[in-house]
Amino acid sequence: GIQVEQSPPDLILQEGANSTLRCNFSDSVNNLQWFHQNPWGQLINLFYIPSGTKQNGRLSATTVATERYSLLYISSSQTTDSGVYFCAVVNAGGTSYGKLTFGQGTILTVHP
Amino acid sequence: DVKVTQSSRYLVKRTGEKVFLECVQDMDHENMFWYRQDPGLGLRLIYFSYDVKMKEKGDIPEGYSVSREKKERFSLILESASTNQTSMYLCASSLWQGTYGYTFGSGTRLTVV
Repeated sequence: GIQVEQSPPDLILQEGANSTLRCNFSDSVNNLQWFHQNPWGQLINLFYIPSGTKQNGRLSATTVATERYSLLYISSSQTTDSGVYFCAVVNAGGTSYGKLTFGQGTILTVHP
Repeated sequence: DVKVTQSSRYLVKRTGEKVFLECVQDMDHENMFWYRQDPGLGLRLIYFSYDVKMKEKGDIPEGYSVSREKKERFSLILESASTNQTSMYLCASSLWQGTYGYTFGSGTRLTVV
């Protein structure tokens, strides 16, 4: 099946710093999403971005489907950004029925 | 506001018990999924359903079964709970073929003692 690798596995920042999280995937995709899991376990959908660039406030994401990677940018980080960030993809073609395959996540800690 | 609701936030069950985890969505989504999340292993797909009464095995279906009698409800069943099924269980739903965003429930943290 498709492989999803995220880097870095852990990231520690001071409030106000910027960061870039990376997601590499091993096959073509027709769906790529970034999620934030808060300390209570809730997964929040940040972006649906199988290709192109999107921005939402301090967060933005870019997916280069032809090169099989996606980047999540966090600017002016805040303590509330802490948590785990997941990249998840749906393998294009076949009978995947929209199954999301997740990366291992990046644990982000933002200190005040 | 659209929602995926999981019936329990925390659950403690004994080894050998039959356990039902319920998930309800109000978005008229065709696809529904059950994942489990474990430290160091990320989220792994247990079962999914793309229509009423239809189900497909995910990556780790052993020890689990599912039921989808109505479009809005997807149940995960642990036939005989074991301690290695202690985990966080997450339900999700999406439109057909998953070419749109997914919505997750808030999770059920199950402990089997």
